Amino acid sequence: DSGVTQTPKHLITATGQRVTLRCSPRSGDLSVYWYQQSLDQGLQFLIQYYNGEERAKGNILERFSAQQFPDLHSELNLSSLELGDSALYFCASSVGQGLEKLFFGSGTQLSVL
Amino acid sequence: GESVGLHLPTLSVQEGDNSIINCAYSNSASDYFIWYKQESGKGPQFIIDIRSNMDKRQGQRVTVLLNKTVKHLSLQIAATQPGDSAVYFCAAPENSGGSNYKLTFGKGTLLTVNP
Repeated sequence: DSGVTQTPKHLITATGQRVTLRCSPRSGDLSVYWYQQSLDQGLQFLIQYYNGEERAKGNILERFSAQQFPDLHSELNLSSLELGDSALYFCASSVGQGLEKLFFGSGTQLSVL
Repeated sequence: GESVGLHLPTLSVQEGDNSIINCAYSNSASDYFIWYKQESGKGPQFIIDIRSNMDKRQGQRVTVLLNKTVKHLSLQIAATQPGDSAVYFCAAPENSGGSNYKLTFGKGTLLTVNP
């Protein structure tokens, strides 16, 4: 158990809908990272938050947004969903700002039908 | 483009044999590397890391070798067991602005251990 909690484990929804994925980092970790994993793209970095502030953006679509709350948990919001958004979404956390190992949650499997 | 990549997408070994998974990187400024293991249905799990001031680091049944001259690292698993079957990723932090870093992953090698 990495100490990173993600909910829900599975999510099935329809195109055009909006969903929210939630992540609780390891106790004491200030950074939260979101990754998308699909078969053809591998693990793709989406966005990083550190102590409530956005610090880095990767290949995140404009339809996607995230935030980190004062208690350090994070949410990833995916809207106007398309079939191609179906993927595993992982949250990871670390103590600092990324020059270190990350601890990953078990992911949310999103299926857009 | 990717800063880390794997040489082979799949590797099949017999139980009890040693496994070697290779990874190349392109950024000569990279000074920290991490190996992750991802089992089916789970998130990536940290295995071992190495900093560029080292050539070799050993863990329990795993060894990481770093060759900075050719920008190559490898993960060696001794006496491979069925429980080692998984996808293995090498990863390296990339500066994403200021003092922030994002971990960039290679595409992974699927290790299959045959009984």
